Amino acid sequence: SQKIEQNSEALNIQEGKTATLTCNYTNYSPAYLQWYRQDPGRGPVFLLLIRENEKEKRKERLKVTFDTTLKQSLFHITASQPADSATYLCALPPSGGSYIPTFGRGTSLIVHP
Amino acid sequence: DAMVIQNPRYQVTQFGKPVTLSCSQTLNHNVMYWYQQKSSQAPKLLFHYYDKDFNNEADTPDNFQSRRPNTSFCFLDIRSPGLGDAAMYLCATSRISGRNTEAFFGQGTRLTVV
Repeated sequence: SQKIEQNSEALNIQEGKTATLTCNYTNYSPAYLQWYRQDPGRGPVFLLLIRENEKEKRKERLKVTFDTTLKQSLFHITASQPADSATYLCALPPSGGSYIPTFGRGTSLIVHP
Repeated sequence: DAMVIQNPRYQVTQFGKPVTLSCSQTLNHNVMYWYQQKSSQAPKLLFHYYDKDFNNEADTPDNFQSRRPNTSFCFLDIRSPGLGDAAMYLCATSRISGRNTEAFFGQGTRLTVV
């Protein structure tokens, strides 16, 4: 079955720096990959989708890359702010006739002022 | 503006006392999901509906049941909550298409079992 790996350790960075989060996956060749943001005590919120034929996708201060050879996606937040502190989850689309996306456990980002 | 609404936001129930969590959506999506999420873990799918078709995950305990009386509403029933069922319960919806299956989540219900 497909698996997603995200760093379980929190990422601590200083305000203004670029945060980089990693999502690795196995046993799958997804047509796209999604990133979600989850604040404490709330449901995840969709941020970005990147397709297999896209190397890079940007949205404001967010940038996502997708390397289908390495089976890896990187999620970057440039000029990070304390308000960016949250848990970021990656998700793979359904496979094998399923309707169910697979979510990673997420990586907690803490941006210090 | 709220598209997926869960009620209540916080629920405290007694050990063994049945509890129902509710979810409604204004998106007219055909798929609705219930996830259980414990601290620092990935959301764990309990079951989902594709229209009226109910799909139970193999490892979802029998203690958990669900109802979807219409497109807009979905309920999670926990027949006899145990201490291990304390978690955040997330409802999500999506419209299945070939191009994208973005999931829209509700705010979640935090269940405490005492």
